Amino acid sequence: RKEVEQDPGPFNVPEGATVAFNCTYSNSASQSFFWYRQDCRKEPKLLMSVYSSGNEDGRFTAQLNRASQYISLLIRDSKLSDSATYLCVVIGGHNQGGKLIFGQGTELSVKP
Amino acid sequence: NAGVTQTPKFRVLKTGQSMTLLCAQDMNHEYMYWYRQDPGMGLRLIHYSVGEGTTAKGEVPDGYNVSRLKKQNFLLGLESAAPSQTSVYFCASSAGLAGYLYEQYFGPGTRLTVT
Repeated sequence: RKEVEQDPGPFNVPEGATVAFNCTYSNSASQSFFWYRQDCRKEPKLLMSVYSSGNEDGRFTAQLNRASQYISLLIRDSKLSDSATYLCVVIGGHNQGGKLIFGQGTELSVKP
Repeated sequence: NAGVTQTPKFRVLKTGQSMTLLCAQDMNHEYMYWYRQDPGMGLRLIHYSVGEGTTAKGEVPDGYNVSRLKKQNFLLGLESAAPSQTSVYFCASSAGLAGYLYEQYFGPGTRLTVT
């Protein structure tokens, strides 16, 4: 089983739609959680951190469920510019040296 | 302020050839990382460094060597390239151990093809 697994894509949605991505992680000792965005053939960039209480940044909402070991990202009112691959990232526990562990990514395509 | 830069951007190697990828950062970051990204696999950590003169193995270190002689540079070497090393290589840096306070900043990537 992969340490971090994401919804297989791609997700094709119309502009204005709401879309949600899920991600599960296997190590219950994982410390920190993030969503990164990666545009085609570019480097990943931090989209938002994921806090235990859930957090929102404009149209983006991230949730963490430690009991079920999953993380979600909700995008409301999708824009064409949201088209990208979204990477779920988990920082391992102390026995993993606190290193970033990436999911394989979920591709989102927003159409006019 | 260039952030994280990588040289070269593209390279084609023949099996058995060697090469060095250079990563440079101008943010005075202590931590630097090398990842590879393959289709359907996500980014995987090859090697990392927690400071000048130190290196450590990541998840997929075999076939690669690294050096951190200067704080701002992190070199990734392939001594004898193999087709399985065809990938996109990303370098990253952070001020401290990655977490809520220490975002990792990525370079633009190096696309390597080994024939």
